[in-house]
Amino acid sequence: AQSVTQPDIHITVSEGASLELRCNYSYGATPYLFWYVQSPGQGLQLLLKYFSGDTLVQGIKGFEAEFKRSQSSFNLRKPSVHWSDAAEYFCAVGPPDSWGKLQFGAGTQVVVTP
Amino acid sequence: SAVISQKPSRDICQRGTSLTIQCQVDSQVTMMFWYRQQPGQSLTLIATANQGSEATYESGFVIDKFPISRPNLTFSTLTVSNMSPEDSSIYLCSVVGAEGGSNEQFFGPGTRLTVL
Repeated sequence: AQSVTQPDIHITVSEGASLELRCNYSYGATPYLFWYVQSPGQGLQLLLKYFSGDTLVQGIKGFEAEFKRSQSSFNLRKPSVHWSDAAEYFCAVGPPDSWGKLQFGAGTQVVVTP
Repeated sequence: SAVISQKPSRDICQRGTSLTIQCQVDSQVTMMFWYRQQPGQSLTLIATANQGSEATYESGFVIDKFPISRPNLTFSTLTVSNMSPEDSSIYLCSVVGAEGGSNEQFFGPGTRLTVL
């Protein structure tokens, strides 16, 4: 069965520290991979996506993610978090042949402390 | 890019009633979808809204409960029928294939529904 796992429900990080959010997936073939952010009162915003090619993907707001096929992972990283990065982060996968039909992970709530 | 608006932004409804949510996009798009986000949970795809034909529903969702219309390339509606408290969720419209853009997927701001 297809699944997306975000092992960390909640992460607290100090402002200026690095952040890594984990995402593992189970899929028949290599899916399209996405990270979205949902801030309080805001809609979903795409941070970055991976379709093919270079396994290190750069996104907006200083985020990057690395696709590791051998580990079925697509972890999100940011070297230095800002208070405005406090939000919920969702990893999502989608079938290469069917745009838009995403399966989302449970989400990771990120809290940034001063 | 695509700018998506949803109406209403939120509503409180009584058990047994129905609510229709509208999704309007500022440009023609190839595909439109409806997602649900239950309280404290992730997003789940309800259905693909097909222009001029019946929507395609995901497992666990049926047309009688969630009728969907898509009369043109910029507009869709989702109706939540015979509501129960378990239908309390945020309902999000999503689109792919905006004019002049890539196949990037955009999400609307959501409609927050509370059923009493």
